[in-house]
Amino acid sequence: EPEVTQTPSHQVTQMGQEVILRCVPISNHLYFYWYRQILGQKVEFLVSFYNNEISEKSEIFDDQFSVERPDGSNFTLKIRSTKLEDSAMYFCASVQDKLNEKLFFGSGTQLSVL
Amino acid sequence: QQQVKQSPQSLIVQKGGIPIINCAYENTAFDYFPWYQQFPGKGPALLIAIRPDVSEKKEGRFTISFNKSAKQFSLHIMDSQPGDSATYFCAATAASGTYKYIFGTGTRLKVLA
Repeated sequence: EPEVTQTPSHQVTQMGQEVILRCVPISNHLYFYWYRQILGQKVEFLVSFYNNEISEKSEIFDDQFSVERPDGSNFTLKIRSTKLEDSAMYFCASVQDKLNEKLFFGSGTQLSVL
Repeated sequence: QQQVKQSPQSLIVQKGGIPIINCAYENTAFDYFPWYQQFPGKGPALLIAIRPDVSEKKEGRFTISFNKSAKQFSLHIMDSQPGDSATYFCAATAASGTYKYIFGTGTRLKVLA
């Protein structure tokens, strides 16, 4: 079965540093997402991306966050100046199209901000 | 109105038992209701999903029951096994939107051998 691939699996950074989390969505998918999950809590929506632009974002996704699809395969989440509370597991996900709305998740990047 | 409420928070059953996890929603625009299974350190994996035009869907040992009028849906796991021990999340989304999934708070299931 096709997979959403995320790198790195773990990222440790100092508070105030910039991090970039990388994802390769499933190749024929059109809708892309970032979710996060703080340890032991529910999965929270951050942002959706379609047709090379943000289609929706949550309150969590403030000016410190940005997303980009720099080429035909990669989808990145950048946190410009990390805070302690950004520590979480970040999941990339994708959906194929309007006729097949199954959401496929990657295995996540565990971000630890020290 | 965007919330999906899930219960119970945790559940322990004996092997062979039938754990039931319940979810409720408010937004009538939701029209796709998946359940995800998550093992520690892994991403959520789609287990089974239902649309509101049917009241029940079975896939293997997993069954979703859907009550449109009550805006509730539930997951039943038949003949549960220790390997089913995981966290289960219900979710909801609207096809008319951006497929933003709203997740429940999760149920940690433990199946005793």
